[in-house]
Amino acid sequence: GEDVEQSLFLSVREGDSSVINCTYTDSSSTYLYWYKQEPGAGLQLLTYIFSNMDMKQDQRLTVLLNKKDKHLSLRIADTQTGDSAIYFCAENPDQAGTALIFGKGTTLSVSS
Amino acid sequence: KAGVTQTPRYLIKTRGQQVTLSCSPISGHRSVSWYQQTPGQGLQFLFEYFSETQRNKGNFPGRFSGRQFSNSRSEMNVSTLELGDSALYLCASSLWTGGASDTQYFGPGTRLTVL
Repeated sequence: GEDVEQSLFLSVREGDSSVINCTYTDSSSTYLYWYKQEPGAGLQLLTYIFSNMDMKQDQRLTVLLNKKDKHLSLRIADTQTGDSAIYFCAENPDQAGTALIFGKGTTLSVSS
Repeated sequence: KAGVTQTPRYLIKTRGQQVTLSCSPISGHRSVSWYQQTPGQGLQFLFEYFSETQRNKGNFPGRFSGRQFSNSRSEMNVSTLELGDSALYLCASSLWTGGASDTQYFGPGTRLTVL
């Protein structure tokens, strides 16, 4: 079945880099996404990567995609306390629709 | 450009009642999807509407239904509420042109509590 796996927690110190990992199951997924959710809020799209790319950089965010291993990672450089949130990895295995499959989310805790 | 808006933001109902949630997509977006978020099951896809037609449906009972209007606004309805329906219901909209513009943008959600 379809399943997206993420580690549940990550704790880092302010100024360090954070790396959040994700494994997905459907090799036909065209786009893979990272969303951020702050307490009491909806999901904020952080970035996405097209499946024919290996890497995408967007300011402090770097996404790496290993399609062979179905592994996706999100690196946040110079992590700040404002980055504390839950981060969700998502895939869209249905190219004709918009049914995203989400991981359970990784709670990032940044200490000063 | 205004983001996705959802009303109401919070709702308290009792078992057996029904509830209607509303979602207004980003202007120009024609696809609206609904998701349920619970601590146990995480984020699960409910259904998607495009041009007033349900195009995709997740694995939820028939008590969960939705519709989309000609202005792309969408509503979802849950009948005969159960305690397990307590969740954050998220709406997402996208342009849907078959590319990166399919990216979904989420609203703040409606927090439903069933007592």
